[in-house]
Amino acid sequence: AQRVTQPEKLLSVFKGAPVELKCNYSYSGSPELFWYVQYSRQRLQLLLRHISRESIKGFTADLNKGETSFHLKKPFAQEEDSAMYYCALTGASGGSYIPTFGRGTSLIVHP
Amino acid sequence: GAGVSQSPRYKVAKRGQDVALRCDPISGHVSLFWYQQALGQGPEFLTYFQNEAQLDKSGLPSDRFFAERPEGSVSTLKIQRTQQEDSAVYLCASSFGLTTYNEQFFGPGTRLTVL
Repeated sequence: AQRVTQPEKLLSVFKGAPVELKCNYSYSGSPELFWYVQYSRQRLQLLLRHISRESIKGFTADLNKGETSFHLKKPFAQEEDSAMYYCALTGASGGSYIPTFGRGTSLIVHP
Repeated sequence: GAGVSQSPRYKVAKRGQDVALRCDPISGHVSLFWYQQALGQGPEFLTYFQNEAQLDKSGLPSDRFFAERPEGSVSTLKIQRTQQEDSAVYLCASSFGLTTYNEQFFGPGTRLTVL
């Protein structure tokens, strides 16, 4: 069974501090991993995906297959980064395509 | 262009009542997903469609839940004989293809409260 674990329910930092939101996964094959973000009063939207190897809004995430992790990082947090962040995994199982989300981490960036 | 829309945005139902939740995906998107999100949790997969075919419904919690997408566009999630544990936000998402790296575009959700 596939599983995504986000151990921190809440992460609180000051503006300019580094941020790391943790994500660990369990999957027997080669998963596709994503970070989605939900800003206040907005809908869930894609932040980045590991296959694109991109940096979005200063955030990066590296897939570590040895540690089965996909942590989200940003060197200098901004107040506008305050939001709910969800790590997600998609994998094909028996020909079916099942997305699995973590429970989310609320990031609060203080001025 | 317009994003994914859902209606109603809020629904209050008495226990035992049937409800129908609608999702309008982005035009041309082949795949459509339904999720249930309980308070303080991430979205939980319910079912998904590729065009009009329901390819997986393993996440539906009981046989009271039924989803359809008869013409490969609009989808309806129906819950029969609602129970209090059905109270949640129901999210719909669509994506252009079915490859595992396709971005999902989410609707605003329908908040269902069962009294």
